[in-house]
Amino acid sequence: TQLLEQSPQFLSIQEGENLTVYCNSSSVFSSLQWYRQEPGEGPVLLVTVVTGGEVKKLKRLTFQFGDARKDSSLHITAAQPGDTGLYLCAGLDTGRRALTFGSGTRLQVQP
Amino acid sequence: GAGVSQSPSNKVTEKGKDVELRCDPISGHTALYWYRQRLGQGLEFLIYFQGNSAPDKSGLPSDRFSAERTGESVSTLTIQRTQQEDSAVYLCASSLGPGAGANVLTFGAGSRLTVL
Repeated sequence: TQLLEQSPQFLSIQEGENLTVYCNSSSVFSSLQWYRQEPGEGPVLLVTVVTGGEVKKLKRLTFQFGDARKDSSLHITAAQPGDTGLYLCAGLDTGRRALTFGSGTRLQVQP
Repeated sequence: GAGVSQSPSNKVTEKGKDVELRCDPISGHTALYWYRQRLGQGLEFLIYFQGNSAPDKSGLPSDRFSAERTGESVSTLTIQRTQQEDSAVYLCASSLGPGAGANVLTFGAGSRLTVL
């Protein structure tokens, strides 16, 4: 089973600060996704990255897929309390049909 | 329906009892997934259904766990002789079949199982 490790596990910051969350693996993935999950709800897809080195921007969120397609990062600029939640990365490898999820990064943005 | 619907939303049971969890996927979505999420953790893959193909059961943790799907609609996840370690949120997701939308998963809100 391929593993995805996320860091940090927990992050508590003040509104307006920047942050980066990392998702790392020793395995290659054909694509990688980022989800955000709020308490009592299922994860919601934020982005899918497919090409090594790809960078995608979604308002204040910037997602990057590593050149070797083994790692990814999520950068949030000027965090807001509404960004609070559990951020999950998920990878799809060519040998499986279901996503492998990371352990998550719990973000708390204090007003 | 408009989204993935799961029931019950909460289930408390006694150790040793059997439980059934239900998932109604989005209409037209041929792929259906079950994941387990323990408190504060990521998602653990359990089983995947795609159309009429044989399901991928590689994530089921033991033979106490089983899942069925009727055609391309409702799925039930059954846990027999529940143990305390089975306590978790069980999440269902669906997606379009093979093609561009295959990996765009829509999740339900989950069924929270507590085994006393």
